[in-house]
Amino acid sequence: GAVVSQHPSRVICKSGTSVKIECRSLDFQATTMFWYRQFPKQSLMLMATSNEGSKATYEQGVEKDKFLINHASLTLSTLTVTSAHPEDSSFYICSARERTINEKLFFGSGTQLSVL
Amino acid sequence: SQQGEEDPQALSIQEGENATMNCSYKTSINNLQWYRQNSGRGLVHLILIRSNEREKHSGRLRVTLDTSKKSSSLLITASRAADTASYFCGTGANSKLTFGKGITLSVRP
Repeated sequence: GAVVSQHPSRVICKSGTSVKIECRSLDFQATTMFWYRQFPKQSLMLMATSNEGSKATYEQGVEKDKFLINHASLTLSTLTVTSAHPEDSSFYICSARERTINEKLFFGSGTQLSVL
Repeated sequence: SQQGEEDPQALSIQEGENATMNCSYKTSINNLQWYRQNSGRGLVHLILIRSNEREKHSGRLRVTLDTSKKSSSLLITASRAADTASYFCGTGANSKLTFGKGITLSVRP
């Protein structure tokens, strides 16, 4: 089956630094990738949708300058949390939609971000 | 924005029993999908039902969809301890998938 690899799985950083999270589709081409954020025992909140080669579409209330998303190729999307603050601490999950299977999503294993 | 809403929030059953989880949503959808999440991990796709379908089966899973009531149910038959996880319904519309808060299922051995 289709595999999405997300790295790192866990990151601890100091307040004010930037953190980059990578999401790769290993054995398929992802036309669209989605970034979600999840708080403990809460729903996944969609942050943004990225299509290869175009700008990401952000959900209402998500700061695009804070959460930079780049979808440079059909197999790689990155989320950079800029000038991280403790309130950015959360579980971030990416997912990808394959070109041919246009409805089902394949998820990465998530990144636990802790900002000190 | 969050659309699907699952209930109950938590469910605890004995191994071998059936588990029924419900999902309600608010606006029109193209499809509804159920996913499973183990603690601290990503989501794994379980089953997808399209808006013009009423019932689907996959192994021990059975999902129904009632678009007139804007609701869906997921039935896991003959539950196993390994089914312990959080379950989310995702509603698909406008090429996006939005999720509810999930249901925590505990299956006691």
